[in-house]
Amino acid sequence: GENVEQHPSTLSVQEGDSAVIKCTYSDSASNYFPWYKQELGKRPQLIIDIRSNVGEKKDQRIAVTLNKTAKHFSLHITETQPEDSAVYFCAAEEYGNKLVFGAGTILRVKS
Amino acid sequence: DAGVIQSPRHEVTEMGQEVTLRCKPISGHNSLFWYRQTMMRGLELLIYFNNNVPIDDSGMPEDRFSAKMPNASFSTLKIQPSEPRDSAVYFCASNKDGSYGYTFGSGTRLTVV
Repeated sequence: GENVEQHPSTLSVQEGDSAVIKCTYSDSASNYFPWYKQELGKRPQLIIDIRSNVGEKKDQRIAVTLNKTAKHFSLHITETQPEDSAVYFCAAEEYGNKLVFGAGTILRVKS
Repeated sequence: DAGVIQSPRHEVTEMGQEVTLRCKPISGHNSLFWYRQTMMRGLELLIYFNNNVPIDDSGMPEDRFSAKMPNASFSTLKIQPSEPRDSAVYFCASNKDGSYGYTFGSGTRLTVV
């Protein structure tokens, strides 16, 4: 089955700097890669996703890149703000609608 | 749209007791997923249903766990008997065939003492 690895496990950046979180996956058949943000005590919420027919997708300060050959994808947050502090999860679709999640990255933005 | 609704939000129970968690998916969504979240194991898929039918229950940890989806608007996850190691946040999520991404419920924080 699909295996998703996520790095780093924790990331601390200064407000205004960029943050990058990286994930690798094992199943070359996976075609959908979402990112979720989870604030303390709340539910995971979808913030951006990418399908395998594109290499990059951007939404304001957030972007995701995908390299299908290398089987890795990354989340990029520019001009970080304190409200970006949260746990971020990457995921890959295994089959049907089933998502396999990475272990999560705790992002702390210092002001 | 009220989103995915889970109840209760918090549950504290004694070891050996039966626990039932409930979920109402978004109307029109035909896939429903139960996840467990712990610090050690992250987000683990326990079971998922499509059109009320269990498709993959390989993540259910043991026979003490069972899940049902009697209709398109309701699902339960039952633990009997509960053990302290079952303490976790249990999330329900749903989506619709042909769409991408899940909508998660607010979760049930279960504490077994």
